[in-house]
Amino acid sequence: GAVVSQHPSWVICKSGTSVKIECRSLDFQATTMFWYRQFPKQSLMLMATSNEGSKATYEQGVEKDKFLINHASLTLSTLTVTSAHPEDSSFYICSARDGATLYEQYFGPGTRLTVT
Amino acid sequence: AQSVTQLDSHVSVSEGTPVLLRCNYSSSYSPSLFWYVQHPNKGLQLLLKYTSAATLVKGINGFEAEFKKSETSFHLTKPSAHMSDAAEYFCVVSENIFGNEKLTFGTGTRLTIIP
Repeated sequence: GAVVSQHPSWVICKSGTSVKIECRSLDFQATTMFWYRQFPKQSLMLMATSNEGSKATYEQGVEKDKFLINHASLTLSTLTVTSAHPEDSSFYICSARDGATLYEQYFGPGTRLTVT
Repeated sequence: AQSVTQLDSHVSVSEGTPVLLRCNYSSSYSPSLFWYVQHPNKGLQLLLKYTSAATLVKGINGFEAEFKKSETSFHLTKPSAHMSDAAEYFCVVSENIFGNEKLTFGTGTRLTIIP
């Protein structure tokens, strides 16, 4: 089946620094990738949708200058949390949609970010 | 706008007894519906999906769900619970509008299995 990986699986950074999270589709071409955020014991909230080669579309309330998304190839999307603060600590999950498969997103294992 | 309501935040059942996780949805269009499972500190795994074909959908690990349009429900069931079923379950509705797909997640139901 389709596999999506994320790196790193967990990261700790100091307040004010930036951290980059990678999302890769390992065995299919992902025309669209999605970034979600999950707070402890809560549901997933869509942050943004990115299509390969174009700018990401952010959901209402998500700061595009703080959460930089790049989808430069059909197998890689990155989320950079800039000037991180403790309130950015969360579980970040990406998903990728295979261009040949309708209505199915494949989810990565998630990245746990802790900002100290 | 679409929405999903998972009626129970926490369900506990004894091992070997049936499981019922309830989900109601609201959608302006013909939706696709999914159930995902998330084990602690893990990503989401697709259990099953409904995409306007058969209303009774069979998934992995013995789970199934029935799409009932008249009740706007998509409840998840399993005849006999196993200890490994303990996890968080999310009901998800998907709408594809003009080529743009958006998933909306329910708030989740934590399933506990009593030995």
